[in-house]
Formats: sequence, structure tokens, C-alpha cells
Amino acid sequence: DTAVSQTPKYLVTQMGNDKSIKCEQNLGHDTMYWYKQDSKKFLKIMFSYNNKELIINETVPNRFSPKSPDKAHLNLHINSLELGDSAVYFCASSRTGQGGGELFFGEGSRLTVL
Amino acid sequence: AQTVTQSQPEMSVQEAETVTLSCTYDTSESDYYLFWYKQPPSRQMILVIRQEAYKQQNATENRFSVNFQKAAKSFSLKISDSQLGDAAMYFCAYRTYNNDMRFGAGTRLTVKP
Repeated sequence: DTAVSQTPKYLVTQMGNDKSIKCEQNLGHDTMYWYKQDSKKFLKIMFSYNNKELIINETVPNRFSPKSPDKAHLNLHINSLELGDSAVYFCASSRTGQGGGELFFGEGSRLTVL
Repeated sequence: AQTVTQSQPEMSVQEAETVTLSCTYDTSESDYYLFWYKQPPSRQMILVIRQEAYKQQNATENRFSVNFQKAAKSFSLKISDSQLGDAAMYFCAYRTYNNDMRFGAGTRLTVKP
């Protein structure tokens, strides 16, 4: 029973297309995240949602739009895909505040833009 | 914004030996968390060890231990009795109580048989 699950695991698409990655957590956490890991393995935070509200929005192009329909889900939609969007995207979740602790990660979604 | 620095892009260790991975961070907060995550080729992010900043005692988890120096803003990871399965990317991470979590650039650890 996977704690944080992402779909799809792999995605290959053409430049200019629109795609979505879905994420669900069954840990009862109130905070969810999207991270991008580039080819050099650097993990960069993109967004964070707490109880469906956006709390962190790094300098990410407007083509990226997160959506959190409820506390257990955080989806990532990407419009007009570019070559530089090729990366592994990780969803994660955690509890808020003191005692909240570590992030639990999904398995990652590898996006390849041709 | 806080930053996390891992100054060793690559490290190698002989099987059964000990290796230490370095991490420093910059913050103006007094309360926060620090973590080491491991990412094997499977790309799954696995928590290795965590440390709350208010705790003076260094965290340990079996063969993994940290040297937490709060004043120096240093958080190194020591792996004892290294095993082939320890080979992976290791990421140091810093998290505030308001959920902002940042990672260092990672250290690739090779374990030689």
C-alpha cells in the first residue's frame, strides 16, 4: 500500500504538448510538495500546499500549474512543454510544524520532452 | 532564503571502512530540522537520518550517525562499516517549521569491494 503515489512513472511527449502528473498520499499529511530533479540530480522545490492552500511558489514558469483538490492530492499540469522541462518530478508529503519531521516521497515521474 | 551546501560532489570508500559526508547550511532560524536522504539508482528517496535542531545529542541509526554542530551550522553524516548497498547519491536537507524544505546538491558515494 504505497504511501505517496505518482502517475505516470514515465512520460514521453513532444514539445508544445500539455501534460499532467498526478499525486496522491494516504498518510493523512496536511502538506504536499512538488520537486524537480534535473539531469545533475539537483532537487529544486517548485510548489508546496498546506491544506489545499499554496504556501510556497518558487520562480517557476506560469506554464506549470499545481492543483490541490483536497489534502490528499496534488496534481501538476504543464502547458506548452519545452525541452528544458525534461526531468524527474517528485511529489512529497509531510505533517506541519514541530514534530512534523521528514518528507515522504513518491517514486518520481520521469518526463522526457522530444 | 536558507541554503544547503554539500562541498563533496563525489566520495568513495572501501567496503567495511568509514566515510564522512559534509554538509553546511545557512539560516537565521533557531528551530528547524536536518535530514540526510539516500537516492539509489532506483531513484527512490529514502530517509537515512534526521536531527531536530533543539536536540544537542547527535542522532544515530545503526551504522549511520551525524555530527551536528549548530553554532557552526554543520551537519555531517558518518557511515560506518560501509556496505555495497550504501552506494547512492546522498542529499543533505534543511526544513523549517513552516514546511520549507531545501536540499543540497548531493554527494555521489561509491563503495569499492
